[in-house]
Amino acid sequence: SQTIHQWPATLVQPVGSPLSLECTVEGTSNPNLYWYRQAAGRGLQLLFYSVGIGQISSEVPQNLSASRPQDRQFILSSKKLLLSDSGFYLCAWSVYDLGAAGMNNEQFFGPGTRLTVL
Amino acid sequence: AQKITQTQPGMFVQEKEAVTLDCTYDTSDPSYGLFWYKQPSSGEMIFLIYQGSYDQQNATEGRYSLNFQKARKSANLVISASQLGDSAMYFCASHSLGKVTFGTGTKLQVIP
Repeated sequence: SQTIHQWPATLVQPVGSPLSLECTVEGTSNPNLYWYRQAAGRGLQLLFYSVGIGQISSEVPQNLSASRPQDRQFILSSKKLLLSDSGFYLCAWSVYDLGAAGMNNEQFFGPGTRLTVL
Repeated sequence: AQKITQTQPGMFVQEKEAVTLDCTYDTSDPSYGLFWYKQPSSGEMIFLIYQGSYDQQNATEGRYSLNFQKARKSANLVISASQLGDSAMYFCASHSLGKVTFGTGTKLQVIP
């Protein structure tokens, strides 16, 4: 069966510090991978998605970046955190679908990382 | 551009009753998928049900059914026989050509 891991579960960081959140998927090959941010009491905002190693699509301009160094590893990074980066970060995967990037496939979400920037 | 509108920030339902959570969408893409997810207080996102834009029949998954009205661009979630464990945030989402858009969610509370 497939599982998706995220760490850390919670993180408190000062403004201006770097960030690295990691997401790994087990039990599947060549998944589509996604990073979302959920601000308190809000819906999910898609930040990045990837259909393959080294292939990253950014949905919104921001001071965050994503990388996919391995097939089942997706990393969210920042060189300098802002207060507005606080939120709940969710990683998700779906069955590989290059053309539609998951249009017809449900996404399976990790447990999330709660980031607080002070 | 896609847009998902969930007009009910909060809903109450009596246990064992049915409840409908509203969702309207706006997309110019001819092909799209509509999804509902449940988010309990733990934060995890749980997939509930999927409806494709070309599907002729409404999707059903156990106690969940999706009332898909394409002309009205609505994709309401119906939960039958509500249970206390159904209390959670519910998000409607659309996926189309790599774009994913979530609504702001509806908080459902099931009353015993």
